Amino acid sequence: EADIYQTPRYLVIGTGKKITLECSQTMGHDKMYWYQQDPGMELHLIHYSYGVNSTEKGDLSSESTVSRIRTEHFPLTLESARPSHTSQYLCASGSALSGAARYTQYFGPGTRLTVL
Amino acid sequence: GEDVEQSLFLSVREGDSSVINCTYTDSSSTYLYWYKQEPGAGLQLLTYIFSNMDMKQDQRLTVLLNKKDKHLSLRIADTQTGDSAIYFCAESMGGGSYIPTFGRGTSLIVHP
Repeated sequence: EADIYQTPRYLVIGTGKKITLECSQTMGHDKMYWYQQDPGMELHLIHYSYGVNSTEKGDLSSESTVSRIRTEHFPLTLESARPSHTSQYLCASGSALSGAARYTQYFGPGTRLTVL
Repeated sequence: GEDVEQSLFLSVREGDSSVINCTYTDSSSTYLYWYKQEPGAGLQLLTYIFSNMDMKQDQRLTVLLNKKDKHLSLRIADTQTGDSAIYFCAESMGGGSYIPTFGRGTSLIVHP
């Protein structure tokens, strides 16, 4: 099981501010993901990475950006927060091991973002 | 395309069994997962089943897979109030695809 951390857990911020949501994992997982979870609880993939210096956009169009400079760290940045960004953001990671572990995602506790 | 369907709500009495159902469309699914999400928390992996299995049991949890009908279920025996949460079904194609498809989640409410 992965140890995956997200900070902050809760953030209330004003419109126009730049914010970075942090995600770190200590298991050496090569794959990392960001999801946005809407009030109906549906998960939307916004970014993912399969390794250092590799990032891709997910299915949901997002104004956020990500970076993967270190294996263990996958921060998400919003350059200018808007009320429409208010949501729960979940980070996940996945192992390079063989079998089921290779396709399994392990989730962090989430960041609840509110933009006023 | 891939699609995973779940009913939105399930209400059970404490001590009864709960059965949460999930259907998926892609017969190429390799791994099927059940996750649990408690309020204010992330998703916790409960269990998974490989597509060549019919059943997997882990303590109070039993997963049944009907590949012909593309139907997955999670049975929780002796349901407790602590089992109240949202349960997500997910499928993974395997191969070079590392992004699972999630259902919308079933909210399980356990009442005394």
